[in-house]
Order: sequence, then structure tokens, then C-alpha cells
Amino acid sequence: QKEVEQDPGPLSVPEGAIVSLNCTYSNSAFQYFMWYRQYSRKGPELLMYTYSSGNKEDGRFTAQVDKSSKYISLFIRDSQPSDSATYLCAMSEKNRDDKIIFGKGTRLHILP
Amino acid sequence: ETGVTQSPTHLIKTRGQQVTLRCSSQSGHNTVSWYQQALGQGPQFIFQYYREEENGRGNFPPRFSGLQFPNYSSELNVNALELDDSALYLCASSLGVNQPQHFGDGTRLSIL
Repeated sequence: QKEVEQDPGPLSVPEGAIVSLNCTYSNSAFQYFMWYRQYSRKGPELLMYTYSSGNKEDGRFTAQVDKSSKYISLFIRDSQPSDSATYLCAMSEKNRDDKIIFGKGTRLHILP
Repeated sequence: ETGVTQSPTHLIKTRGQQVTLRCSSQSGHNTVSWYQQALGQGPQFIFQYYREEENGRGNFPPRFSGLQFPNYSSELNVNALELDDSALYLCASSLGVNQPQHFGDGTRLSIL
């Protein structure tokens, strides 16, 4: 079983729809949870960064972490064509070894 | 504020050669991490440098080595290049260990 599982998609939704992206994980020691957005030929851009469980909102983006279920989500409201990208979930433990474990990424297409 | 910059953007090498990739961290960031991203995959952690010392290492062989300089810029060196080393190499910087990591746009390395 991989440490982080993420459906690679592609996921196509119409403009204006609510997008739901999800990841599951197996390592209960993960404490930091992140979502990155990656456009073609670019590096990952940090969208959301949360510590432990709970919800965090930033503009049209909401991140949710459920540590009891080992499940994290990213919701995008009022989706725009410019949101079309690959979304990577990522997580790390709180220790000296600061490595981030990434999912494979979900390709998202917002249809105008 | 200048973000993370990496050079070169593209590189073509042949098997057995050696390569050096460079990274300038974001202003004020003293921690640099390197990742390898194969096509269609999430980034994989190679190693991290904190204040010029290696702080953690992923599952990569010793022919992957690095340096961090007093100005916190960093180099990734790969010896005896193999075809499987073809990938996007990403550098990320952060304000410290267990802090949000911000990525550059990477160096695309092709091995012929």
C-alpha cells in the first residue's frame, strides 16, 4: 500500500462548479497536510498548508483534514478555466527529517 | 520578493556523465530541499539542507549528492547518469525545518 493515494483523473467539470479533490494516506504520523497546484512546465505552487485536523479556508479554496479516517480534501468553489492544472496532495511528519510525501496528482480540467 | 530560481531550465546529457543543478532560495529562507519528479508522478524527496548541513535524505543512491552555501543557495550533483535519471528536478526553500516549502520551476534533465 502506498503511503499517499490520489486518483490521477483526469477530472473534467463545467465552469462555476464546485470541485472536490481527495487523498487517503496510511501513515498516522503525518502532521502537516498540503495542497499544491502545478501548471504544465512549472513547479508546484503551495495553495493550502494545515497542521493536524480541521478545516482551513482561503478565498475559493477549502482544505479539510480528517486524521481519524486518514483522508484529506480540497474544495474549489466557483471553478474557473484558470484552475485547470494538476493538484498534488502532500504530507509530512513533524520530525527532523522534513521530507514531504506527495500523491501522484489529479489532473483537473475546467470546461468553459 | 524573489522566489526560488533554478538553473539551467533544460539539460541534455548522456549515460555515465555527471551533472550539477543549481538553486537560489527565496529571500530569508535557510532550508533547501531537492525533489525528483518523473513524468506523471508526484515529486520524490532526495534530500534537504539546513544551514549548510544535510538534514535528511530520501531513498536515493550516493551518486546523488548536494551542497548548500553560506548564502543558502544549493547544488544537486548526480554522477554516473542513468536513463532513469531523466526527470524534472525541483528545488524548494523554506524558512526552516517543518515550515511550508516553496518550489522553483525545476530543471528538466534528459538522459540519452
